[in-house]
Amino acid sequence: GQQVMQIPQYQHVQEGEDFTTYCNSSTTLSNIQWYKQRPGGHPVFLIQLVKSGEVKKQKRLTFQFGEAKKNSSLHITATQTTDVGTYFCAVVTSGTYKYIFGTGTRLKVLA
Amino acid sequence: DSGVTQTPKHLITATGQRVTLRCSPRSGDLSVYWYQQSLDQGLQFLIQYYNGEERAKGNILERFSAQQFPDLHSELNLSSLELGDSALYFCASSVVGTGSGNTIYFGEGSWLTVV
Repeated sequence: GQQVMQIPQYQHVQEGEDFTTYCNSSTTLSNIQWYKQRPGGHPVFLIQLVKSGEVKKQKRLTFQFGEAKKNSSLHITATQTTDVGTYFCAVVTSGTYKYIFGTGTRLKVLA
Repeated sequence: DSGVTQTPKHLITATGQRVTLRCSPRSGDLSVYWYQQSLDQGLQFLIQYYNGEERAKGNILERFSAQQFPDLHSELNLSSLELGDSALYFCASSVVGTGSGNTIYFGEGSWLTVV
C-alpha cells in the first residue's frame, strides 16, 4: 500500500539557520500538499504542488515537487521561532481518494 | 478558525464504553474526513465521506464506524474502547473529493482519553 516517509523525524535548529524536510512516496503522486501543525493545534494547509519539477515560494518557505512526482521538499530559510511545529506532507495517489499524511517532521527552533 | 466544528473537545471515558464524536464541516463542503493522531504520532487516515456516501477507507478498526448525514455533518462512533484508543481525533472537510486535490480544512479535534 501507499507509504509516505518524511525525513528527518525531528530537527532542532538555531534561530536563523535553514531547515529542510523531505517527503518520499513509494508510488507516483497526483499531487502533494504540505501542512503545518503548531504544538497543540490542528494541521493547517500551506501549499499544493501538482506539476513535475514544480517549485513554489511563500516568503521564507520554498516547496519543490520532484521530477518523477514521487518526492517533495520543504525548505525554510533563516528559521524563526514562529516556524516551530510539525510539518506534514499529504498525498493522493492516482486513482484513489485516500488522503495519506506523511510521518511528519517536528521542528524546534532555539532562540 | 477553519470553519470545521468538532464536539466534544475533550472526553474521558472508561474501557469498554462507546462514544460518539461529532463534526460539522465548513459551509458548502461535501467531503468529510476522519483522522486519528496518537501522542507524538502522525495523522492516521480513518475514513472519508462524500455527500453522504463512504468514499475511502483507511486503517479504521471494526470497532469504529462513521456516517455522514443528509445535512452533511458526520459522526464517528468508537465502541468497546481500549486504552490504546486514547488519541486526538480530527475531522476535516473539503469542497469535493480528494481526487481533485482540494485543500482539506481541519477542525480543532476531539481529545479522547480512555481510562
